[in-house]
Amino acid sequence: GAGVSQTPSNKVTEKGKYVELRCDPISGHTALYWYRQSLGQGPEFLIYFQGTGAADDSGLPNDRFFAVRPEGSVSTLKIQRTERGDSAVYLCASSKTSGDTYEQYFGPGTRLTVT
Amino acid sequence: KDQVFQPSTVASSEGAVVEIFCNHSVSNAYNFFWYLHFPGCAPRLLVKGSKPSQQGRYNMTYERFSSSLLILQVREADAAVYYCAVCMDSNYQLIWGAGTKLIIKP
Repeated sequence: GAGVSQTPSNKVTEKGKYVELRCDPISGHTALYWYRQSLGQGPEFLIYFQGTGAADDSGLPNDRFFAVRPEGSVSTLKIQRTERGDSAVYLCASSKTSGDTYEQYFGPGTRLTVT
Repeated sequence: KDQVFQPSTVASSEGAVVEIFCNHSVSNAYNFFWYLHFPGCAPRLLVKGSKPSQQGRYNMTYERFSSSLLILQVREADAAVYYCAVCMDSNYQLIWGAGTKLIIKP
């Protein structure tokens, strides 16, 4: 079956521009997570959705970052006024439901480069 | 601060058993997750849990704040980055280590 997909796979943008990163979770998975991975580091949590609502957005670095999941399936991570420090791989994961024992299935990530 | 620690690199010869150690300082995390990651691909879960477990060639040891991933009969194709992560039982986010690069010596 289809896994988690993310588009685009690569995105290059200029400093100050707006970008949207899309995540298609596994069908039927109610929980969705966004992580950001900088070079040489492990992924860092950004935000987690249970259904349509953001259950925890404590990892979003500032108010330039926002994410939505309007129908409880596809999610979009939105970054306004991008900065060079936003360059990273953005990973999306989904799981059947939320819980600390459920496997999070990851997409391949979107590599964002801000020039 | 909630952190997960693992060595940056581990080297092994083919056919050996490789151990990658991980420990954490997250007070409300009880489950370990070991992921395999080839750059550009999705991280893949190898083994997880709050007790010792095995999945194929992958064994996981468990203590409250530490775990080891043991890879049996390591092969050249196992050269990759292995991540240890723990899951917080409050918001279910994974807290990740920085990854261990496994190098297979010829």
